[in-house]
Parts: sequence; structure tokens; C-alpha cells
Amino acid sequence: DAGVIQSPRHEVTEMGQEVTLRCKPISGHDYLFWYRQTMMRGLELLIYFNNNVPIDDSGMPEDRFSAKMPNASFSTLKIQPSEPRDSAVYFCASSLERNQPQHFGDGTRLSIL
Amino acid sequence: AQSVTQPDIHITVSEGASLELRCNYSYGATPYLFWYVQSPGQGLQLLLKYFSGDTLVQGIKGFEAEFKRSQSSFNLRKPSVHWSDAAEYFCAVGAGTNDYKLSFGAGTTVTVRA
Repeated sequence: DAGVIQSPRHEVTEMGQEVTLRCKPISGHDYLFWYRQTMMRGLELLIYFNNNVPIDDSGMPEDRFSAKMPNASFSTLKIQPSEPRDSAVYFCASSLERNQPQHFGDGTRLSIL
Repeated sequence: AQSVTQPDIHITVSEGASLELRCNYSYGATPYLFWYVQSPGQGLQLLLKYFSGDTLVQGIKGFEAEFKRSQSSFNLRKPSVHWSDAAEYFCAVGAGTNDYKLSFGAGTTVTVRA
């Protein structure tokens, strides 16, 4: 079975540009999570969806960040405008139910110059 | 809110030796507990989980963990490490009405020497 698929794997862009990260969860999983991993702060939950509906976005750092899930097989995390402090590895994860193990994608390594 | 502490930032172990990684959590009731492993450039892979029942949990790659309520701990063990076990290990806890919201420890990096 295919796992969680994220694209791109690496993104390098200049400050001020719009960045869009993509995620395809495991088929049949009702929950989707976006995380950010940095050396300073470790793994942080940004937002999660249940059945395509955003439930908790309290971890989204600023209004520059937005996430959507237009259907059960696709989600995006957008940063506009991007800043150097947004540089991090962004992970998408999905789970079958809310308290079941989360399955992670390989992440997107984002560098904002 | 729940929290997780992994006291060891870095552990070096010889190949073939045993390994134990410590994890302490803070939560009043029984939480959901997980161990994940992350290899460089990869995502997190689930090693094992504890929800209820037998407090000794077996996972993949020969790992096991033991839930000790009295010590609020969920330590990960492997009797004989392989060079491929070099990675970063994360303990995570989900609890209560926010059980979806995993709290991750800071991670323990394991180096395996020949």
C-alpha cells in the first residue's frame, strides 16, 4: 500500500514568494495532520483535518499560513509571503481514526533565502 | 495538557549491545503512547504503540517498550542493536479529549559504533 505522499521533497525559494506544499494521505484515512519540524522547536502540530474539514488550526503560526483539503485524497499547506524563519521540514501525516497511529510522509524540506 | 520528556539527547552504543531509550510523560490518566523512529531525510516511522492491556509492547525491528504507570514512563528497548538502528527516536503521547494531538519528545539520537 502507498504511504503518505508529499511533494515536493525539497523547495528552495526567495523570501516573499508563495510556497505550496502538497500531501496525499493514505486512502481511507479520515484524519490528516500537518507538522513542522525545526531544531529549535522540534515537531509542532500546525493543523489537522477530519473528513476534509479543518478542526484545529491553533498551531498555525501566522495568517501567512493556510491549509486546505478540497477532497479526501489531497491537502495543501500554503505560505504567502514566505520568510526565512519558515525554513523547516514540513510533514504530513494521516490516521484512520483520531487516536490511532499517525503515518508520516517523508516531508518537504523548505529553505527560504 | 500532556507532555513528554526524553532525558537523553544523544546515546552512543556498540553494535550488538543492548539499547534503552527513556521516555517520561505527564498526564493524569492513561495516555496513548507511541515510539517513532526517523532516519536522516525520512519521515517518522511507527515502531510500536500502547493503548491499554499488556504493559510490555512488542514492535517492529526487534524493539519493545514497557509502560510503567507508577513511573510515568514508556522506555524503549532493544536487546542487540544493529548499525541500521542509528537514527533519531521520538516518544509521543496523546491523551484525553485531545488524543489526536500528539505531543512529541525532543528526540534521542542514537549512534551505533562498530
